[in-house]
Amino acid sequence: GAGVSQTPSNKVTEKGKYVELRCDPISGHTALYWYRQSLGQGPEFLIYFQGTGAADDSGLPNDRFFAVRPEGSVSTLKIQRTERGDSAVYLCASSLGTGNYEQYFGPGTRLTVT
Amino acid sequence: QKEVEQDPGPLSVPEGAIVSLNCTYSNSAFQYFMWYRQYSRKGPELLMYTYSSGNKEDGRFTAQVDKSSKYISLFIRDSQPSDSATYLCAMSEALTGGGNKLTFGTGTQLKVEL
Repeated sequence: GAGVSQTPSNKVTEKGKYVELRCDPISGHTALYWYRQSLGQGPEFLIYFQGTGAADDSGLPNDRFFAVRPEGSVSTLKIQRTERGDSAVYLCASSLGTGNYEQYFGPGTRLTVT
Repeated sequence: QKEVEQDPGPLSVPEGAIVSLNCTYSNSAFQYFMWYRQYSRKGPELLMYTYSSGNKEDGRFTAQVDKSSKYISLFIRDSQPSDSATYLCAMSEALTGGGNKLTFGTGTQLKVEL
Protein backbone atom coordinates (compact mmCIF):
# COMPACT_ATOMS: atom_id res chain seq x y z
CA GLY A 1 0.00 0.00 0.00
CA ALA A 2 0.95 3.66 -0.20
CA GLY A 3 3.40 4.93 2.38
CA VAL A 4 3.74 8.36 3.94
CA SER A 5 4.03 11.05 1.30
CA GLN A 6 5.46 14.54 1.70
CA THR A 7 5.38 17.56 -0.58
CA PRO A 8 7.32 19.35 -1.82
CA SER A 9 10.40 17.13 -1.89
CA ASN A 10 12.60 20.22 -2.03
CA LYS A 11 11.91 23.81 -1.06
CA VAL A 12 14.28 26.75 -1.43
CA THR A 13 13.17 30.00 0.17
CA GLU A 14 14.67 33.32 1.14
CA LYS A 15 15.34 34.31 4.72
CA GLY A 16 12.26 35.90 6.26
CA LYS A 17 9.73 34.12 4.03
CA TYR A 18 6.88 31.84 5.11
CA VAL A 19 6.79 28.16 4.11
CA GLU A 20 4.32 25.30 4.38
CA LEU A 21 5.31 21.64 4.27
CA ARG A 22 2.69 18.96 3.74
CA CYS A 23 2.44 15.40 5.02
CA ASP A 24 -0.05 12.71 3.96
CA PRO A 25 0.12 9.77 6.39
CA ILE A 26 -0.58 6.11 5.74
CA SER A 27 -4.33 5.54 5.42
CA GLY A 28 -5.84 4.56 8.76
CA HIS A 29 -2.94 5.84 10.84
CA THR A 30 -4.25 8.19 13.51
CA ALA A 31 -0.91 9.20 15.03
CA LEU A 32 1.29 11.62 13.11
CA TYR A 33 4.73 12.98 14.01
CA TRP A 34 7.05 15.65 12.61
CA TYR A 35 10.81 15.42 12.99
CA ARG A 36 13.67 17.57 11.75
CA GLN A 37 16.98 16.13 10.56
CA SER A 38 20.02 18.36 10.24
CA LEU A 39 23.03 17.30 8.18
CA GLY A 40 24.96 14.48 9.84
CA GLN A 41 22.44 14.12 12.66
CA GLY A 42 19.57 11.85 13.53
CA PRO A 43 15.99 13.13 13.31
CA GLU A 44 14.76 15.26 16.24
CA PHE A 45 11.16 15.25 17.44
CA LEU A 46 9.07 18.35 16.79
CA ILE A 47 5.37 17.62 17.35
CA TYR A 48 2.86 14.77 17.72
CA PHE A 49 -0.79 14.63 16.64
CA GLN A 50 -3.37 12.10 17.73
CA GLY A 51 -6.32 12.69 15.46
CA THR A 52 -6.86 16.40 14.88
CA GLY A 53 -5.21 17.74 18.02
CA ALA A 54 -1.57 18.52 18.70
CA ALA A 55 -1.08 16.24 21.71
CA ASP A 56 2.54 17.21 22.27
CA ASP A 57 4.40 20.13 20.68
CA SER A 58 7.32 20.17 23.12
CA GLY A 59 9.89 19.76 20.33
CA LEU A 60 8.97 22.88 18.36
CA PRO A 61 12.03 25.15 18.64
CA ASN A 62 10.15 28.46 18.92
CA ASP A 63 6.87 30.17 18.08
CA ARG A 64 7.79 30.60 14.41
CA PHE A 65 6.90 26.93 13.98
CA PHE A 66 3.31 25.74 13.92
CA ALA A 67 1.53 22.63 12.65
CA VAL A 68 -2.07 21.71 11.97
CA ARG A 69 -4.04 18.60 11.13
CA PRO A 70 -7.60 19.89 10.71
CA GLU A 71 -9.32 16.70 9.54
CA GLY A 72 -7.17 14.13 11.29
CA SER A 73 -5.34 13.04 8.14
CA VAL A 74 -3.11 15.45 6.20
CA SER A 75 -0.86 17.68 8.28
CA THR A 76 0.88 20.94 7.40
CA LEU A 77 3.99 22.25 9.15
CA LYS A 78 4.21 26.03 8.89
CA ILE A 79 7.34 28.08 9.43
CA GLN A 80 7.16 31.87 9.65
CA ARG A 81 10.03 34.32 9.13
CA THR A 82 12.40 31.55 8.08
CA GLU A 83 16.03 31.71 9.18
CA ARG A 84 19.10 30.06 7.66
CA GLY A 85 19.29 27.80 10.72
CA ASP A 86 15.91 26.31 9.73
CA SER A 87 17.58 24.59 6.76
CA ALA A 88 17.16 20.84 7.28
CA VAL A 89 15.16 17.85 6.13
CA TYR A 90 11.69 17.84 7.66
CA LEU A 91 10.38 14.30 8.12
CA CYS A 92 6.87 13.15 8.80
CA ALA A 93 6.03 9.78 10.34
CA SER A 94 2.75 8.03 11.05
CA SER A 95 1.71 5.23 13.34
CA LEU A 96 -1.48 3.19 13.80
CA GLY A 97 -2.30 4.97 17.02
CA THR A 98 -1.52 5.59 20.65
CA GLY A 99 0.44 2.70 22.10
CA ASN A 100 1.75 1.56 18.74
CA TYR A 101 5.50 1.99 18.66
CA GLU A 102 6.20 1.48 14.97
CA GLN A 103 6.59 4.79 13.18
CA TYR A 104 6.81 4.86 9.39
CA PHE A 105 8.60 7.78 7.81
CA GLY A 106 8.05 9.67 4.60
CA PRO A 107 10.86 10.74 2.26
CA GLY A 108 11.10 14.19 3.82
CA THR A 109 11.11 17.76 2.54
CA ARG A 110 14.56 19.27 2.13
CA LEU A 111 14.25 22.94 3.13
CA THR A 112 16.99 25.37 2.20
CA VAL A 113 16.82 28.95 3.46
CA THR A 114 19.11 31.31 1.55
CA GLN B 1 25.97 14.59 27.00
CA LYS B 2 23.47 13.32 24.46
CA GLU B 3 20.78 10.87 25.58
CA VAL B 4 21.78 8.49 22.77
CA GLU B 5 25.36 8.03 21.61
CA GLN B 6 26.25 6.34 18.33
CA ASP B 7 29.57 6.15 16.52
CA PRO B 8 29.06 7.99 13.22
CA GLY B 9 31.65 5.91 11.34
CA PRO B 10 32.10 5.66 8.43
CA LEU B 11 32.42 1.90 8.62
CA SER B 12 33.71 0.03 5.57
CA VAL B 13 33.55 -3.77 5.36
CA PRO B 14 34.02 -6.38 2.60
CA GLU B 15 31.00 -8.19 1.21
CA GLY B 16 30.04 -11.18 3.35
CA ALA B 17 31.41 -9.71 6.59
CA ILE B 18 29.49 -9.58 9.86
CA VAL B 19 28.72 -5.99 10.81
CA SER B 20 28.21 -4.82 14.38
CA LEU B 21 26.54 -1.48 15.05
CA ASN B 22 26.08 -0.12 18.56
CA CYS B 23 24.42 2.58 20.61
CA THR B 24 24.48 3.54 24.26
CA TYR B 25 21.83 5.54 26.05
CA SER B 26 21.35 7.29 29.36
CA ASN B 27 17.57 7.77 29.73
CA SER B 28 15.94 5.00 31.78
CA ALA B 29 12.50 6.06 30.46
CA PHE B 30 13.25 4.56 27.05
CA GLN B 31 10.95 1.59 26.50
CA TYR B 32 11.32 0.39 22.92
CA PHE B 33 14.51 0.18 20.91
CA MET B 34 14.52 0.46 17.15
CA TRP B 35 16.90 0.30 14.24
CA TYR B 36 16.23 2.30 11.11
CA ARG B 37 18.06 2.20 7.80
CA GLN B 38 18.36 5.38 5.78
CA TYR B 39 19.56 5.54 2.20
CA SER B 40 20.92 8.80 0.87
CA ARG B 41 18.17 11.40 0.39
CA LYS B 42 15.47 9.00 1.61
CA GLY B 43 13.42 8.76 4.79
CA PRO B 44 14.38 6.30 7.56
CA GLU B 45 13.04 2.77 7.08
CA LEU B 46 12.17 0.70 10.15
CA LEU B 47 14.23 -2.50 10.27
CA MET B 48 13.52 -3.94 13.71
CA TYR B 49 12.27 -3.06 17.14
CA THR B 50 12.60 -4.74 20.51
CA TYR B 51 11.24 -4.16 23.98
CA SER B 52 12.98 -6.39 26.45
CA SER B 53 16.60 -7.28 26.99
CA GLY B 54 17.79 -10.13 24.81
CA ASN B 55 18.06 -10.93 21.12
CA LYS B 56 15.60 -10.67 18.26
CA GLU B 57 16.41 -12.13 14.86
CA ASP B 58 14.95 -11.31 11.44
CA GLY B 59 16.71 -12.88 8.49
CA ARG B 60 20.27 -11.59 8.33
CA PHE B 61 19.62 -9.03 11.08
CA THR B 62 19.84 -9.54 14.85
CA ALA B 63 18.97 -6.84 17.34
CA GLN B 64 20.32 -7.10 20.86
CA VAL B 65 19.34 -5.06 23.92
CA ASP B 66 21.07 -4.98 27.30
CA LYS B 67 19.02 -2.70 29.54
CA SER B 68 21.31 -3.16 32.54
CA SER B 69 24.21 -1.70 30.55
CA LYS B 70 22.01 0.68 28.51
CA TYR B 71 23.54 -0.73 25.35
CA ILE B 72 21.95 -1.91 22.11
CA SER B 73 23.43 -3.56 19.04
CA LEU B 74 22.48 -4.52 15.52
CA PHE B 75 24.31 -7.36 13.78
CA ILE B 76 24.17 -7.87 10.04
CA ARG B 77 25.30 -11.26 8.76
CA ASP B 78 26.55 -11.91 5.24
CA SER B 79 26.58 -8.21 4.46
CA GLN B 80 25.74 -7.16 0.91
CA PRO B 81 26.55 -4.01 -1.08
CA SER B 82 22.82 -3.19 -0.92
CA ASP B 83 23.22 -2.87 2.88
CA SER B 84 25.32 0.25 2.32
CA ALA B 85 23.37 2.99 4.08
CA THR B 86 23.22 4.95 7.31
CA TYR B 87 21.90 2.97 10.27
CA LEU B 88 20.11 4.90 12.98
CA CYS B 89 19.30 3.59 16.42
CA ALA B 90 16.19 5.07 18.00
CA MET B 91 14.70 4.85 21.46
CA SER B 92 11.04 5.37 22.30
CA GLU B 93 9.57 7.05 25.35
CA ALA B 94 5.94 7.73 26.12
CA LEU B 95 4.63 11.26 25.64
CA THR B 96 2.30 12.78 28.25
CA GLY B 97 -0.32 13.32 25.55
CA GLY B 98 -0.10 9.71 24.39
CA GLY B 99 2.06 8.54 21.52
CA ASN B 100 5.76 7.88 21.56
CA LYS B 101 8.69 10.18 20.97
CA LEU B 102 11.71 8.71 19.22
CA THR B 103 15.20 9.89 20.19
CA PHE B 104 17.76 8.98 17.56
CA GLY B 105 21.48 8.46 17.50
CA THR B 106 23.50 10.37 14.92
CA GLY B 107 23.59 7.33 12.63
CA THR B 108 26.48 5.10 11.50
CA GLN B 109 27.39 5.27 7.83
CA LEU B 110 28.08 1.75 6.50
CA LYS B 111 29.69 0.83 3.21
CA VAL B 112 29.86 -2.78 2.07
CA GLU B 113 32.44 -3.19 -0.67
CA LEU B 114 32.64 -5.87 -3.37
